[in-house]
Amino acid sequence: AQTVTQSQPEMSVQEAETVTLSCTYDTSESNYYLFWYKQPPSRQMILVIRQEAYKQQNATENRFSVNFQKAAKSFSLKISDSQLGDTAMYFCAFMKHTGAQKLVFGQGTRLTINP
Amino acid sequence: DSGVTQTPKHLITATGQRVTLRCSPRSGDLSVYWYQQSLDQGLQFLIQYYNGEERAKGNILERFSAQQFPDLHSELNLSSLELGDSALYFCASSASGQGRSEQYFGPGTRLTVT
Repeated sequence: AQTVTQSQPEMSVQEAETVTLSCTYDTSESNYYLFWYKQPPSRQMILVIRQEAYKQQNATENRFSVNFQKAAKSFSLKISDSQLGDTAMYFCAFMKHTGAQKLVFGQGTRLTINP
Repeated sequence: DSGVTQTPKHLITATGQRVTLRCSPRSGDLSVYWYQQSLDQGLQFLIQYYNGEERAKGNILERFSAQQFPDLHSELNLSSLELGDSALYFCASSASGQGRSEQYFGPGTRLTVT
């Protein structure tokens, strides 16, 4: 079974700073997908970024980028020029490439951006 | 707005009761997923339907059941409710049943069992 671990329950940074959220996972699969979801106080789950394991290039979406280290089974999220609206819970998630298309989530990191 | 709708937004009921949560996927999406978010268990996958058929099952209790109708909306039925069933229940949809399709989440239904 796959597991996802987020070792930072809470983080706090000042507005405009850069912050990195950590995620590690365990799987015997060779091909899979990794995601970061954001859950603001509204509780809506919002997809932030996606990485396909067979792609070596790290995914980037505007101020959000990932550092995907397949051998280390590590998938961190970097938020540049952080904004107050980035305050949210962030969940790392894993999905197998084939078979059951379920997302396996980590426990989340609560990120607070301070003015 | 993800395009996925869920009703009701909030539900308060008593132990032993039965409730139905409803989900309408994004237009054109064939796959529907149900997830439960609780304080002690975190976010857990319950079940997936694809074009009316059950595709995958996760940690779904026997007291819970789901179905997807011909118009592709889905319902999650929770019966013999217990205090521990209090949680936020999310529905998500994707275009296909395969991983390359992102899952888009609805706003959730908050269930409180008293």
